[in-house]
Amino acid sequence: EAGVAQSPRYKIIEKRQSVAFWCNPISGHATLYWYQQILGQGPKLLIQFQNNGVVDDSQLPKDRFSAERLKGVDSTLKIQPAKLEDSAVYLCASSTTGELFFGEGSRLTVL
Amino acid sequence: AQRVTQPEKLLSVFKGAPVELKCNYSYSGSPELFWYVQYSRQRLQLLLRHISRESIKGFTADLNKGETSFHLKKPFAQEEDSAMYYCASYTGGFKTIFGAGTRLFVKA
Repeated sequence: EAGVAQSPRYKIIEKRQSVAFWCNPISGHATLYWYQQILGQGPKLLIQFQNNGVVDDSQLPKDRFSAERLKGVDSTLKIQPAKLEDSAVYLCASSTTGELFFGEGSRLTVL
Repeated sequence: AQRVTQPEKLLSVFKGAPVELKCNYSYSGSPELFWYVQYSRQRLQLLLRHISRESIKGFTADLNKGETSFHLKKPFAQEEDSAMYYCASYTGGFKTIFGAGTRLFVKA
């Protein structure tokens, strides 16, 4: 069974630039999550999808972050414009029964 | 509000010594508790969940509703146990909240 796929693995941008991350969850997993993990901290939930609908985006900085999950499968997380404090690993996870399956993450460095 | 607390950022033990990683949760309902682990250069993965009551890689965790705790224990630590451990709480609405994590370092 293929795992959760994420790309790119690494991205370096300058502040005020934009970036997009892509996630392909495990086939059949209705729930998809984006987490932000800043160095030294635990994963922080940004947004949660159930199929293609948003369940929780209360922690998503909506002035600069956006996410979509078209057709209830792949998802894209975008940051525009990026700030220095957005430097983090962005983790995508999918789930059906409570156990989360994670991708390898996308490490963003904002200079 | 739902919250998961892991009081230790770093735990260092000698090989063969017992280890206990602490986790406390706050939630008014009945959450399901998990321990996730991240080994060096690997993705975050499930170690165990309280409803399964399994022992995985020698680790166990008991849910104590009175103390709202879900501590992870292993009687004899091994060097390969060195990793980052996260306690997580899963509630209704498919929402999973993570603690800040504890880095376990097992010394030879």
